[in-house]
Amino acid sequence: EPEVTQTPSHQVTQMGQEVILHCVPISNHLYFYWYRQILGQKVEFLVSFYNNEISEKSEIFDDQFSVERPDGSNFTLKIRSTKLEDSAMYFCASSARGGNTGELFFGEGSRLTVL
Amino acid sequence: KNEVEQSPQNLTAQEGEFITINCSYSVGISALHWLQQHPGGGIVSLFMLSSGKKKHGRLIATINIQEKHSSLHITASHPRDSAVYICAVRGGGSQGNLIFGKGTKLSVKP
Repeated sequence: EPEVTQTPSHQVTQMGQEVILHCVPISNHLYFYWYRQILGQKVEFLVSFYNNEISEKSEIFDDQFSVERPDGSNFTLKIRSTKLEDSAMYFCASSARGGNTGELFFGEGSRLTVL
Repeated sequence: KNEVEQSPQNLTAQEGEFITINCSYSVGISALHWLQQHPGGGIVSLFMLSSGKKKHGRLIATINIQEKHSSLHITASHPRDSAVYICAVRGGGSQGNLIFGKGTKLSVKP
């Protein structure tokens, strides 16, 4: 069964460092998303991406965050200057269709620890 | 902003029991998702509903749009069903712009 893959599974970084989290969505999917879950808290929406541009973003997704689809298969989330509060599990998801007909497929997550 | 409330927060059941997890939301939605989060953290989509009822194996999801309420039922529960079950709702934004509940932690004992 096709799946969304995320790397790394766990990354430890120093505060102020740049981090890039990688996602390979399912190959025929067109819609891509990032979410985060701080330990013990709810999952939160970060950003939607379609047709090589951000279609929607949350208040959390400020200027320190960016997303990119550099080569037609990868979908990356970059955090420019990490803060302690960026420590969380980050989930990538993709869907084949938008609207109410496209099922979401999630990756296993990348755990980011900022020291 | 939509508030998503799940109940119960924690649920312990004996193998074979029928389980119900509830989700209520405060503002009209276009779709509701039920998700399963494994102990390792990974998330699997179980259902996406905009009306009525869906069934997949031992899982049944229902939604009442007028009452702003959805339920997830598990029949003949099994220890492998132990996980966190999360309700998430979509308002009028993009498909992935979901508001998530806190989740219900289910533990099924053999």
